[in-house]
Amino acid sequence: QLVESGGGLVQPGGSLTLSCAASGFTVSNSYMTWVRQAPGKGLEWVSTIYSGHGNDAYHADSVKGRFKSSRDNSKNTLYLQMNSLRGEDTAVYFCARGPYGSRMLDHWGQGTRVTVSS
Amino acid sequence: EIVLTQSPATLSLSPGERATLSCRASQSISTYLAWYQQRGGQAPRLLIYDASNRASGIPARFSGSGSGTDFTLTINGLEPEDFAVYYCQQRTNWPPVLTFGGGTKVEI
Repeated sequence: QLVESGGGLVQPGGSLTLSCAASGFTVSNSYMTWVRQAPGKGLEWVSTIYSGHGNDAYHADSVKGRFKSSRDNSKNTLYLQMNSLRGEDTAVYFCARGPYGSRMLDHWGQGTRVTVSS
Repeated sequence: EIVLTQSPATLSLSPGERATLSCRASQSISTYLAWYQQRGGQAPRLLIYDASNRASGIPARFSGSGSGTDFTLTINGLEPEDFAVYYCQQRTNWPPVLTFGGGTKVEI
């Protein structure tokens, strides 16, 4: 199970940190991904942090340099730190798990809504 | 970057009919393709992985096929709960970038 939290209303240029608490598996042994969905739009990959790769995280060009994905293995939790937020970052943010070595996302959280507006 | 193009954008069908959804990749991705279902206001759900393998708990009426650049998701005998939006997704090996198709809405 994945449970996201931390969404809300933030002004342009502001910051927000999302959390995704996992249960039933360990984030350290999984590929953990953030996907977002703007209102009325499709799914957009945001970032993935890979296990077994020294906590390497990769981010979409649209968020590179502004967002950072990380995890706390002791809390079995994934984070997404979002800085310099823009209106186009307004979306529901989902965290999702991919089994180690896979290219799919087999478990998803329910999502947390982020609204960037003044 | 690999682009996934889904067609049609909308598919209007009746319960009991067969739905055939297409996903085309801009370059070969072997069989590294997944399909997801998203019902209104819910999180996506994995249906098919590696092009043709049903995920755990997915009914047999869902099937996937294809390789290279052309992939198909077939739903045999649409049930009321199948009317939803379907996305295809791939991940490149390096750099590890995920991409989703634009989605196909299956409506009554």
